[in-house]
Parts: sequence; structure tokens; C-alpha cells
Amino acid sequence: EAAVTQSPRNKVAVTGGKVTLSCNQTNNHNNMYWYRQDTGHGLRLIHYSYGAGSTEKGDIPDGYKASRPSQENFSLILELATPSQTSVYFCASGDWGGASQNTLYFGAGTRLSVL
Amino acid sequence: GDQVKQSPSALSLQEGTNSALRCNFSIATTTVQWFLQNPRGSLMNLFYLVPGTKENGRLKSTFNSKESYSTLHIRDAQLEDSGTYFCAAEDAGNTRKLIFGLGTTLQVQP
Repeated sequence: EAAVTQSPRNKVAVTGGKVTLSCNQTNNHNNMYWYRQDTGHGLRLIHYSYGAGSTEKGDIPDGYKASRPSQENFSLILELATPSQTSVYFCASGDWGGASQNTLYFGAGTRLSVL
Repeated sequence: GDQVKQSPSALSLQEGTNSALRCNFSIATTTVQWFLQNPRGSLMNLFYLVPGTKENGRLKSTFNSKESYSTLHIRDAQLEDSGTYFCAAEDAGNTRKLIFGLGTTLQVQP
């Protein structure tokens, strides 16, 4: 069974502070994604990665950085957190062309509040 | 949300009844995925579709690429089917990107 683990599950941060959201997958998938979910906007893609060392901008990358130091780990970094970044963040992994038939597997989500 | 439009946005069903959810696409897409987000917030993959139809228990999904839509049929709805259903289209211009619709929130009533 595919496994994507996010940490922390909940986070309260102060405006201007640095926040790092972590994601680990044990599926050996090449592709990993960070989405945020907000009422009225559904799931929006922030950054994604094709493999270790690669990061690509998604549809709403401003204010976020990403890091993919290994196949298993993909982090989302908010250098200067703002209240508009209060949201639920989901990490996902997928493997185009692999046995999983491109299925996307999601983590449980991280609820971030920026005060 | 404009590139992938889901309808209806919300739906209430009596237990044991049937319904259909729909996704219309205004982007070129080669595959579609359907997800269920349960009331606790967890997202589960229901279907991965190339053009055609798949069935899994009481769920059946069709992707018609020529007419740019996908449907998810729920038969004999159960309480545990409640949640928000999302469809997502694989961007044909960048096949590693999935573009999500805004979801259909389904409540199944006893």
C-alpha cells in the first residue's frame, strides 16, 4: 500500500516566521507534489518535483520554496509566512508510467495557521 | 476551477438511491482521476481512467475524451459515501500535472 506521510499535522506560526512542511513517501515514486486546499478554490498546485534534486513551479508558487533532497523527501518552505498562507496543505506522490498507472497518493494533510 | 468544472457542487441523497457526478474539461487531457475526500479530510483515489469505463463495487466511472467529460456513478448510496468528490485532469501539455475541479460535496441521508 502506498504511503505518504506529512509532518507536522498541525502548525501555528507567526507572521514573518519561517515554516517548513515535510513529506516522506515510501512508494519509490519519481514525482511529488504540494497542493493547498482552500474553500472555493479546491486543490491548487504549489510546487512539484520529477525526482531528487528537481523542483518545478506549479500554479501558485509565489511565497513558497520547495526542496527535494532525496527520492523519499519533499519539503515546502515558507520563508516569511503571511496570514494568507493559512490553509490545509497536501503532499502527494505519483509515478507516471509505473505500475501504479499514474495514480496520485495523498498524505493526510497539514493544517497551517499563520497569526 | 475553470479548466475542470464539476457539477453539481453539492448533492444530498437518500440511502439506497443512485446518482451521477460530472466533470467537464476545457483543457486537452489524456487521463482523469477521481478522488474522495472523507469528512476527516483524507483524500483517497477512486479511479484512474484512460478513455473508457471502469467499475469498482457500487462505483462506475466513464471518461469520454472526444466530448471532454467524465462521470462518476454511485449506485445504492451508503452513509460512508458521504464526502467531497474531486475529479482531476492530466494536463496533456504537461503530463505530470493534475488540474483539479472544485469538487462535489455529497451527503447521504439515512
